[in-house]
Amino acid sequence: SQQGEEDPQALSIQEGENATMNCSYKTSINNLQWYRQNSGRGLVHLILIRSNEREKHSGRLRVTLDTSKKSSSLLITASRAADTASYFCATGLGQGGSEKLVFGKGTKLTVNP
Amino acid sequence: GAGVSQSPRYKVAKRGQDVALRCDPISGHVSLFWYQQALGQGPEFLTYFQNEAQLDKSGLPSDRFFAERPEGSVSTLKIQRTQQEDSAVYLCASSLAGAWGANVLTFGAGSRLTVL
Repeated sequence: SQQGEEDPQALSIQEGENATMNCSYKTSINNLQWYRQNSGRGLVHLILIRSNEREKHSGRLRVTLDTSKKSSSLLITASRAADTASYFCATGLGQGGSEKLVFGKGTKLTVNP
Repeated sequence: GAGVSQSPRYKVAKRGQDVALRCDPISGHVSLFWYQQALGQGPEFLTYFQNEAQLDKSGLPSDRFFAERPEGSVSTLKIQRTQQEDSAVYLCASSLAGAWGANVLTFGAGSRLTVL
């Protein structure tokens, strides 16, 4: 079963606009990560935020984490056509020293030129 | 190697056949994960290795699915007596982190299995 749920399922915007995607999860986590998947390709890691962090930036990406609400958001600023992809959140669940990543269902982002 | 390599990229099997999917992780990566991704869905966790030890196999859908990593590097996911519902992309990912470390995954391109 999948731990995280992204919202919205699909998002279509114009180039230059900002895109915001949300992720909600169910159980306590060690960290939360965002990945991107271009059509027909493997997933690529974008950014990781630990459970004791509230906000993190990387280039045009901004991630927030609210552990009290069990939610995270990914903001892509000044979007480009090349940002068109599916975006997934993944929660790091640790058990006895091991950690597995559980992915959500994803948000499909389309950036129109 | 430079990245995670998976083979075959495409596999068509008749229902009831056995298939084996191979994953060659990045050299030195301790952790190795297998995921199943249906069309339009997110990756579903199948199993996880740390070196040669299979630490979690809770996501394997049935006893027809079996994974191994005997020498702590290359891994094989075997599906016996394939069914149509096994049709999916099987993704392998590896990570440098071991126990207590955050697993940042590098994914392979996947093996697309179609069961007729």
